[in-house]
Amino acid sequence: NAGVMQNPRHLVRRRGQEARLRCSPMKGHSHVYWYRQLPEEGLKFMVYLQKENIIDESGMPKERFSAEFPKEGPSILRIQQVVRGDSAAYFCASSPPGGERYSNEQFFGPGTRLTVL
Amino acid sequence: AQKVTQAQTEISVVEKEDVTLDCVYETRDTTYYLFWYKQPPSGELVFLIRRNSFDEQNEISGRYSWNFQKSTSSFNFTITASQVVDSAVYFCALKTGANNLFFGTGTRLTVIP
Repeated sequence: NAGVMQNPRHLVRRRGQEARLRCSPMKGHSHVYWYRQLPEEGLKFMVYLQKENIIDESGMPKERFSAEFPKEGPSILRIQQVVRGDSAAYFCASSPPGGERYSNEQFFGPGTRLTVL
Repeated sequence: AQKVTQAQTEISVVEKEDVTLDCVYETRDTTYYLFWYKQPPSGELVFLIRRNSFDEQNEISGRYSWNFQKSTSSFNFTITASQVVDSAVYFCALKTGANNLFFGTGTRLTVIP
């Protein structure tokens, strides 16, 4: 049973380009979370999605960032017109549907390291 | 508001020493979960433990042990007889009624051979 998969593992972009980060949750998981880890910092929540719905985007920057989790295919975190400050590790986590509300463990992917030149 | 504080930014120990990583949390929720994750130099996040707010029993897993004290809102992590492979950044995290995890800023542990 494959874990959470993220690709690419490393992504280099020049300022002004677009970055697309992909996350395939664990099999059977319908909840996806995106976190950002700036250098030398802890992870910060960005967005929580279920299939075709954004449930909580309270951690997403208001501009240039968007996320989706379509009915088919991986979840995508999209950053438009990247700036140097977007350089970070972006982690995706997934959890299964249902279950005890507070206990759902989030299984993390290996992360995508974005470098903006 | 939720908050996790890991006051120790960096710790260095000599191999075979014991080391305790501190974690203090804040929440007004009565039901919550606490986690520890390890982030080795390769960068991935490795789940270590989950503890719910109703279970204050301490836990031991091999060389790892956790001390949960609700009275002081602390969830400390001890590594006994540390090894070089324990060198990593360790994150404490809190999950409440919100959907997401709140992470501390991490403690970088260096085990010197």
